This record gives sequence, structure tokens and C-alpha cells, in this order.
Amino acid sequence: AQTVTQSQPEMSVQEAETVTLSCTYDTSESDYYLFWYKQPPSRQMILVIRQEAYKQQNATENRFSVNFQKAAKSFSLKISDSQLGDAAMYFCAYRSAGSGNTPLVFGKGTRLSVIA
Amino acid sequence: GAGVSQSPSNKVTEKGKDVELRCDPISGHTALYWYRQSLGQGLEFLIYFQGNSAPDKSGLPSDRFSAERTGGSVSTLTIQRTQQEDSAVYLCASTHRASYGYTFGSGTRLTVV
Repeated sequence: AQTVTQSQPEMSVQEAETVTLSCTYDTSESDYYLFWYKQPPSRQMILVIRQEAYKQQNATENRFSVNFQKAAKSFSLKISDSQLGDAAMYFCAYRSAGSGNTPLVFGKGTRLSVIA
Repeated sequence: GAGVSQSPSNKVTEKGKDVELRCDPISGHTALYWYRQSLGQGLEFLIYFQGNSAPDKSGLPSDRFSAERTGGSVSTLTIQRTQQEDSAVYLCASTHRASYGYTFGSGTRLTVV
């Protein structure tokens, strides 16, 4: 079974600075999808960014970008120009690329604090 | 609807009582998922429905947990004889294609006292 590990339970960053959240995963599959979700205090999970394993180019969404290292099974999230609204729990998730809509597997999350 | 709707938002119940949690997914989304999020933990997969196929129940922690999805739309998660360890946030999500990610509801916070 696939597993996702987020080794940093908590992180903090100064406003306007850059922070990187780590994620590693374990799989024997070659084709899959990776995601980062944000969960603010409102509890609603929000998709931040996704990466297809067959693409070598790292995904980017505005201030959010990933460093996808397939051989190392690493998928870190970089947040640039951090804002107070970025404070939340961040979850890394994995999904097989097989048929159907098999469930995402989530890590335990990293709580990000942004210091004004 | 515009988003995934869950009700109630919060539920406090006495140990031993049964509870029902409701999820109304985005119209047209064929896949629906239930996850449980205990305090300080990640998301634990419970069950998922895909169209008219038999649900994948592999994540249900005990036979006290069950779920159904009527008419390919609304889903109800039922917990019988609730225990204190059932206290958690129960999240529902739906998608038409999981490779694009899910849309989540705001969850139901269940507290068993």
C-alpha cells in the first residue's frame, strides 16, 4: 500500500518570506498523481496544486510551486512571498493512476504559521 | 449545487446513540468519498462510491460504520452505538475525475460524550 510522509508537524515563516514543506511517499507504481491541499480553520480542504508523475516539469500556481523528484519519491511545496492567509494545515496526497477514482492517500499534515 | 454540502456542521451525541451524517455532492460528480480526521491526524479513508458500482468499504473501521448513496447523489454515513473514539471531523468529497483532485465539504465535527 502507498504511504505518504510529512516529516514536519509544524513550520513557521515570516510574512513575505519563502517556506518549503516536505513530503515523501512510498510506491511501486510508475504512474500516479500528487497533490497539496490546504486546510484553514474553516476545515474546508482546498486544492493548492497537483502534479502528474509522468511530467518532468514542476507544477506552479502563482506563489505556490513544487519540487518533484520522482527517483527520490519526494514532492515538496514551496510558498513564496508568504501571506497571513497562508496560515493553515497543509496535506500532501497521493493517488494511483489506475482505472476508476481510487481514493487519495494523505499524509498527516504540516501546520504552517505565518508571522507578521 | 455549487459545492459539496455537509450537514450537520457540528453534532454532539451521547455514547451509545446512533448518528447520521449527510453529504450532498456537486451535481454530476460520479465519485463520492468519506474521510475521517481525528484531532491532530491526517485524513483516514473510510468509504467511496463510484457511479452505480459497489462501494469500496475497505476503510470502515468497524461494522458500526455504514454508508449509502441514494440515486447516485446524496450520501449518508451512519455510525451506530457511538463510542468516544468516534469523535472526529468527518469530511466528504466528490469528483468527476480523481486525477484532477477532489472538492471537499466543510465537514461534520462529531463529539461523543
